Amino acid sequence: NAGVTQTPKFQVLKTGQSMTLQCAQDMNHNSMYWYRQDPGMGLRLIYYSASEGTTDKGEVPNGYNVSRLNKREFSLRLESAAPSQTSVYFCAISEWFTSGNSYNEQFFGPGTRLTVL
Amino acid sequence: AQSVTQLGSHVSVSEGALVLLRCNYSSSVPPYLFWYVQYPNQGLQLLLKYTTGATLVKGINGFEAEFKKSETSFHLTKPSAHMSDAAEYFCAVSQSGTGRRALTFGSGTRLQVQP
Repeated sequence: NAGVTQTPKFQVLKTGQSMTLQCAQDMNHNSMYWYRQDPGMGLRLIYYSASEGTTDKGEVPNGYNVSRLNKREFSLRLESAAPSQTSVYFCAISEWFTSGNSYNEQFFGPGTRLTVL
Repeated sequence: AQSVTQLGSHVSVSEGALVLLRCNYSSSVPPYLFWYVQYPNQGLQLLLKYTTGATLVKGINGFEAEFKKSETSFHLTKPSAHMSDAAEYFCAVSQSGTGRRALTFGSGTRLQVQP
């Protein structure tokens, strides 16, 4: 039982290149999230998917796209990477409403460290 | 709208000393509050949470936090610091109800424990 897995763990891109960050979960939770973490700024929400088939923008969505492939997988795509997207990216999951718990306790993956040159 | 303020980006204590990490929040509806810990090069791990009921909540590794509505605070404490507590700590808030589905995080406090 791995919980939340993310691939790759590290990536270096050149400006303008594209890539997709993958997230998969084995906890059967409905909601999935993508955050970025930058020094002194905490975690900021990029996109989230409340349930399979839905996605919504978060606080900092510009330059990103997402796909909720199925209940288990939620990918984040950078179409044309920029140095400002150098960050650590975290995927998180939560169970929302289905068990009566609406407080949104989230479980995090280990992160992907992305550097854009 | 909701927000979280963590006072002090860096806190240094001696081993065995009291740990106090401060968190204040703003929320237009009753909040749910969380503390997460992040060890170097790892993801975030839940330390404790407040949802409803008892305002003093106990978490893992000897940490606890008290929800004070009148002060809009949720400070994290541990009576005696251990070297293994050195990490970054994040306070987060989630709103009750059917609204926002994500957590809002504070900017984090890095705890250093001196021998």
